[in-house]
Amino acid sequence: NAGVTQTPKFRVLKTGQSMTLLCAQDMNHEYMYWYRQDPGMGLRLIHYSVGEGTTAKGEVPDGYNVSRLKKQNFLLGLESAAPSQTSVYFCASRPPGTSAYEQYFGPGTRLTVT
Amino acid sequence: AQSVTQLDSHVSVSEGTPVLLRCNYSSSYSPSLFWYVQHPNKGLQLLLKYTSAATLVKGINGFEAEFKKSETSFHLTKPSAHMSDAAEYFCVVSGAGSARQLTFGSGTQLTVLP
Repeated sequence: NAGVTQTPKFRVLKTGQSMTLLCAQDMNHEYMYWYRQDPGMGLRLIHYSVGEGTTAKGEVPDGYNVSRLKKQNFLLGLESAAPSQTSVYFCASRPPGTSAYEQYFGPGTRLTVT
Repeated sequence: AQSVTQLDSHVSVSEGTPVLLRCNYSSSYSPSLFWYVQHPNKGLQLLLKYTSAATLVKGINGFEAEFKKSETSFHLTKPSAHMSDAAEYFCVVSGAGSARQLTFGSGTQLTVLP
């Protein structure tokens, strides 16, 4: 199993550009999450999904959209990137019926918006 | 709603001396609490978890934490620091909903001096 993978690992965008971050998991997990990590802020939940075709807002959803068309993939989109979205983005997944700590984290995507 | 406060953003200790990383939590229900560690440019690793069983929880690499309801604290300790312990540590509380969202503290950077 590859676990949770994230594509790309690094990206630099100009203000106003758009991009999509891909999170993929091969563990057949129902739950998937997108977090952003900023210095001194810990991880904050952007959006999450409890199953294929469902998404929900987390703590900091503004400026992001997500889609879960396939169970194994959770896409995070930035329609018009802003410098405030410079961050490290982590994806995580979890099977149902498990405890919260049993989230499997991906390696992260470092995004810089200039 | 739940929250965690990590009382120190940076802690420095000498190798071989005790480590104390402080965490206070706020929750309207009986919380599940965790400590995660993140080494530089790495993903998150679960150190230990409290899920309403024993209040003194032992984790990996010699770390332990004590849940104190009266003090709403969940401090992380280790008797003797090792150079490899240098990393960022996050105190985390789990939400009560089915998605079990995790709320992260702002992190404590641990430096171990030779």
